[in-house]
Amino acid sequence: AQTVTQSQPEMSVQEAETVTLSCTYDTSESDYYLFWYKQPPSRQMILVIRQEAYKQQNATENRFSVNFQKAAKSFSLKISDSQLGDAAMYFCAYRTSYSGGGADGLTFGKGTHLIIQP
Amino acid sequence: EPEVTQTPSHQVTQMGQEVILRCVPISNHLYFYWYRQILGQKVEFLVSFYNNEISEKSEIFDDQFSVERPDGSNFTLKIRSTKLEDSAMYFCASRAHEEKLFFGSGTQLSVL
Repeated sequence: AQTVTQSQPEMSVQEAETVTLSCTYDTSESDYYLFWYKQPPSRQMILVIRQEAYKQQNATENRFSVNFQKAAKSFSLKISDSQLGDAAMYFCAYRTSYSGGGADGLTFGKGTHLIIQP
Repeated sequence: EPEVTQTPSHQVTQMGQEVILRCVPISNHLYFYWYRQILGQKVEFLVSFYNNEISEKSEIFDDQFSVERPDGSNFTLKIRSTKLEDSAMYFCASRAHEEKLFFGSGTQLSVL
């Protein structure tokens, strides 16, 4: 079974600075998807960014980018120019690719609580 | 942007009662899911549903749980006899083929 580990229960960053949230995962599959979800106090789950394992290029969405290291099974999220609205829980998640079969559901990490200091 | 809609936003029930949580997935989506999140814990996969049948379910999804797509728009999760430990936020999600997963805003279930 796949596992997702987020080793940082909480991170704090000054507004306008850059922060990196770490995520590692364990899988025997070669084809899969990785995601970062943001959960603000409203508890809505909002997709921040996703990465296909077969793509070597790191995904980028505006101020959010990932550092995907497939061999190391590492998938960190970098938030540049942090804003107060970025304060939330961030969950890393894994899903097998559809062509690979197997479990269809997302496997989540335990989350990192990101605090933005004004 | 299209949304997954969940009702009610908060459901309170007595232990042993049946509850039905309702979801309206995005209209052209094909795959439907239920997840739950106990307060302070990670989000856990419950079940996936495709082509009018369950395609995958987790160990959490025991005989007390069932899902149904009674018409072309609704997707429901039923808990037959609720337990205290069923108290959680329940998220519905949907996706099109090989697309990103869209989550609803959740139903907070409180079992007393």
